[in-house]
Amino acid sequence: AQTVTQSQPEMSVQEAETVTLSCTYDTSESDYYLFWYKQPPSRQMILVIRQEAYKQQNATENRFSVNFQKAAKSFSLKISDSQLGDAAMYFCAYKYGGATNKLIFGTGTLLAVQP
Amino acid sequence: GAGVSQSPSNKVTEKGKDVELRCDPISGHTALYWYRQSLGQGLEFLIYFQGNSAPDKSGLPSDRFSAERTGGSVSTLTIQRTQQEDSAVYLCASSLGTSGSGETQYFGPGTRLLVL
Repeated sequence: AQTVTQSQPEMSVQEAETVTLSCTYDTSESDYYLFWYKQPPSRQMILVIRQEAYKQQNATENRFSVNFQKAAKSFSLKISDSQLGDAAMYFCAYKYGGATNKLIFGTGTLLAVQP
Repeated sequence: GAGVSQSPSNKVTEKGKDVELRCDPISGHTALYWYRQSLGQGLEFLIYFQGNSAPDKSGLPSDRFSAERTGGSVSTLTIQRTQQEDSAVYLCASSLGTSGSGETQYFGPGTRLLVL
């Protein structure tokens, strides 16, 4: 069975600094997708970034980028120039590329941004 | 609407009562998902609807849980004879519905259920 592990329950970063959130996963599939979702106190899950497993190039969305290491089954999120609004719970998620569309989530990392 | 909406936002009920949670997906999205977010279990998949296909119910924790989707749009998650361990945030998501792709799931704000 596929599993997603986030080993950092909490992280803290100074405003304008860079922080990296870790995520590892376990799967025997070759076709899959990986996501980072942000959940602020409002509870609404917001997609931050996604990565297709077949793409070697790391995804980037403005200040957010990933380091996708397929052989190591690692998918870390880097937030550059951290802002106060980045404070939230961050979830790493895996989705198999087949017909099943369910997301498998990690346990989350709570990110605090210090002014 | 602009996004996925859920109602009620919060629900307090007594043990043994039945509850219904509602989800309105983004217009045009044929795929709809329910997840549960609880302190002890994290985020877990419950059920998935895709168009007119039979739903994937593999995540439902017991036969007290059921869900339906009427007219391919609105969905209702029903929990019968609620128990305290059902207390959690129930999240609904929708997506365009292209099977096999890594399409983005858009989430609603969730319903926080508290069973006393």
